[in-house]
Amino acid sequence: AQSVAQPEDQVNVAEGNPLTVKCTYSVSGNPYLFWYVQYPNRGLQFLLKYITGDNLVKGSYGFEAEFNKSQTSFHLKKPSALVSDSALYFCADTGGGNKLTFGTGTQLKVEL
Amino acid sequence: NAGVTQTPKFRILKIGQSMTLQCTQDMNHNYMYWYRQDPGMGLKLIYYSVGAGITDKGEVPNGYNVSRSTTEDFPLRLELAAPSQTSVYFCASSYSEDGSYEQYFGPGTRLTVT
Repeated sequence: AQSVAQPEDQVNVAEGNPLTVKCTYSVSGNPYLFWYVQYPNRGLQFLLKYITGDNLVKGSYGFEAEFNKSQTSFHLKKPSALVSDSALYFCADTGGGNKLTFGTGTQLKVEL
Repeated sequence: NAGVTQTPKFRILKIGQSMTLQCTQDMNHNYMYWYRQDPGMGLKLIYYSVGAGITDKGEVPNGYNVSRSTTEDFPLRLELAAPSQTSVYFCASSYSEDGSYEQYFGPGTRLTVT
């Protein structure tokens, strides 16, 4: 079964600094990896995905993620954080199917 | 397009009561899903459907039932509500034929069972 791990419950970063939210995946089948963001009292919104092809994936709101097969990682990054990026971020994997397996989420807090 | 809509937004139930959470999508997606979100636990799949008339259990189906009589609607039924079902419930949909695998989520229903 697919699984993903988000090792950090919370990440704090100053506005304007680069941010990284970590995700690792289990090696079983082909990873189909996703990042979703959840703002308070809202549903999840799709940010970006890796299915195949270029290891660097660009997504919404200036976010990007790099698929690293050797480290089984798919970390979410942004060069310059904004206070409005503060939210709960989820990594997920489908393993090529249509059922998402979610990580436990990482709370990102961007401070002035 | 409204996307995925869910009703109600909030609900308080007493132990043993039953209710139906409604979910509708207007994107003609064939796949639909129900998740529950508990603090620090991520989202867990309750049930899913690959098309009208077809449903299947997810990771945490006990205490719930679903039906899919139309492409648009995927209601979730709670029978004999228990405090353990206090959670936020999200419905989602996706289209399996375009290779995107992207799921679209509704705004959620916050349920409290006391």
